Amino acid sequence: DTAVSQTPKYLVTQMGNDKSIKCEQNLGHDTMYWYKQDSKKFLKIMFSYNNKELIINETVPNRFSPKSPDKAHLNLHINSLELGDSAVYFCASRSAGADTQYFGPGTRLTVL
Amino acid sequence: KNEVEQSPQNLTAQEGEFITINCSYSVGISALHWLQQHPGGGIVSLFMLSSGKKKHGRLIATINIQEKHSSLHITASHPRDSAVYICAARGTNFGNEKLTFGTGTRLTIIP
Repeated sequence: DTAVSQTPKYLVTQMGNDKSIKCEQNLGHDTMYWYKQDSKKFLKIMFSYNNKELIINETVPNRFSPKSPDKAHLNLHINSLELGDSAVYFCASRSAGADTQYFGPGTRLTVL
Repeated sequence: KNEVEQSPQNLTAQEGEFITINCSYSVGISALHWLQQHPGGGIVSLFMLSSGKKKHGRLIATINIQEKHSSLHITASHPRDSAVYICAARGTNFGNEKLTFGTGTRLTIIP
């Protein structure tokens, strides 16, 4: 009965490949987020979706494309992976009118 | 310079000590969050506050909007409190969605 789940937990891939990370929340939340945590443990927002609509898109390369098939899912697709994409990616969700964000366990992406 | 600064970056203390972690921000905010990242990597939201003070168990968070400063205090610290503590300012753009994170404070409590 995990609230926010991400798959896979670990992802090791070669430069130039295309990969996806999936996020699902079973909390009935309206808003979902993707964050990137770099090697220095610094968190930065990438995207935010509300009811399947994109509402925040930070200065992220267009190789990163979020896809929200429904309110409970926000997947992250990355094209042409680069070494600098290596990081831990966190998904989070929040209910409308509430302030607390619930984070997924993170996906550690390593690009070789 | 980061819009949200934390101090100290690293803090080691003995079990039982009173802990204070500071967060200063330079942006206009609607709220400030404190998060805890466990050694295993998981992130948990501890507090959200926009004024005054909140308490949960041994954790206390305060905020001074005029001074753009927040503190997280831990009383009677315990080794299980060892984690990275991150403050995050919720902006006033995009319908208050965007969180800007501090650089984190790594806390180690020695038994």
